[in-house]
Amino acid sequence: GAVVSQHPSWVICKSGTSVKIECRSLDFQATTMFWYRQFPKQSLMLMATSNEGSKATYEQGVEKDKFLINHASLTLSTLTVTSAHPEDSSFYICSASQPQHFGDGTRLSIL
Amino acid sequence: GNSVTQMEGPVTLSEEAFLTINCTYTATGYPSLFWYVQYPGEGLQLLLKATKADDKGSNKGFEATYRKETTSFHLEKGSVQVSDSAVYFCALRRASQAGTALIFGKGTTLSVSS
Repeated sequence: GAVVSQHPSWVICKSGTSVKIECRSLDFQATTMFWYRQFPKQSLMLMATSNEGSKATYEQGVEKDKFLINHASLTLSTLTVTSAHPEDSSFYICSASQPQHFGDGTRLSIL
Repeated sequence: GNSVTQMEGPVTLSEEAFLTINCTYTATGYPSLFWYVQYPGEGLQLLLKATKADDKGSNKGFEATYRKETTSFHLEKGSVQVSDSAVYFCALRRASQAGTALIFGKGTTLSVSS
């Protein structure tokens, strides 16, 4: 069946560095992907909608210069957390839109 | 606007007990409704879904019926197992826009002991 692969699954880095998270659709093309953020013991909050070949659409309150999204191909969307700080530590999950399959998530810890 | 409200947890049950996790929604039109499960340290897995009123979604012994009159989609299982311990999310998606993101409830943690 359709699978969404997310990488890395876990990353720890120092404050001030940038971290890139990849989300791939393995056996189907995904023109639209979604990026969610999940705080501990809380729900998933939509951060942005990633559209292949065009600019991402960000939800209110999400800094687009902080969370850079690139969707350059039909099978890959990337989320780059720029100049990460401890408050950016969270669980980030991507999903394709059709079918709505989720990646396994990336746990980001900023020291 | 669209929203999902779930019962707050944690829900603690003994093995073989009956499970109900309440979920109600607010939406314009006729949304599709979903239950997702998240095991510790993992991503989300679709558990079941229903796309129209009176539909019943079912999977792995779990069931939920789309009740338009009460705007509800309660999750039930007749006999829970320890392996069912996880966080369960109710979610909706507007039916007219299949490519839109899901709107999630806050999640309900289920803990089953033997």
